[in-house]
Amino acid sequence: SQTIHQWPATLVQPVGSPLSLECTVEGTSNPNLYWYRQAAGRGLQLLFYSVGIGQISSEVPQNLSASRPQDRQFILSSKKLLLSDSGFYLCAWREDRVVGETQYFGPGTRLLVL
Amino acid sequence: SQKIEQNSEALNIQEGKTATLTCNYTNYSPAYLQWYRQDPGRGPVFLLLIRENEKEKRKERLKVTFDTTLKQSLFHITASQPADSATYLCALEENTDKLIFGTGTRLQVFP
Repeated sequence: SQTIHQWPATLVQPVGSPLSLECTVEGTSNPNLYWYRQAAGRGLQLLFYSVGIGQISSEVPQNLSASRPQDRQFILSSKKLLLSDSGFYLCAWREDRVVGETQYFGPGTRLLVL
Repeated sequence: SQKIEQNSEALNIQEGKTATLTCNYTNYSPAYLQWYRQDPGRGPVFLLLIRENEKEKRKERLKVTFDTTLKQSLFHITASQPADSATYLCALEENTDKLIFGTGTRLQVFP
């Protein structure tokens, strides 16, 4: 069966510090991978998605970047965090090139920038 | 502009009643619409998917309708239980590689 992991679960970082959040998927090959951010009491904002190694689509211009160095690894980064980067970050995967397929979400990382 | 709107106010209902949640969209032509449940501090979990050529889909106590003329989907939970209390998100897809999510509606079922 497939599983998705995210770490860390919680992170408190000072403004201006770098960020690296990691997401890995097991039990599937060549998945589509997604990063979302959810502000408190708000919906899911799609940040980045990837349909293959090294292929990144950015949905919202911002202070963040994403990379996919391996087939089942997706990393969200920032060189300098802003207060507005605080939120709940969710990684998700779905089967490659299957329209209408379900997305499966990880447990999330709660980031607080102080 | 493109929008997906769900009732931002919480829906409070009594146990045993039917809960009905609404998802309206503007300037999208979705091929699919999905509903997810999200509990506090957790990632969303898939519930139901309905295609543009389907009017209704059921799964146990859940029912989803999809009206592409009204640009609306309704999500029903019959015989609601306190354990159904959560935030419910709709998401649509336009034959692309991505889902676009609504803001979600929080449902509270009281005993």
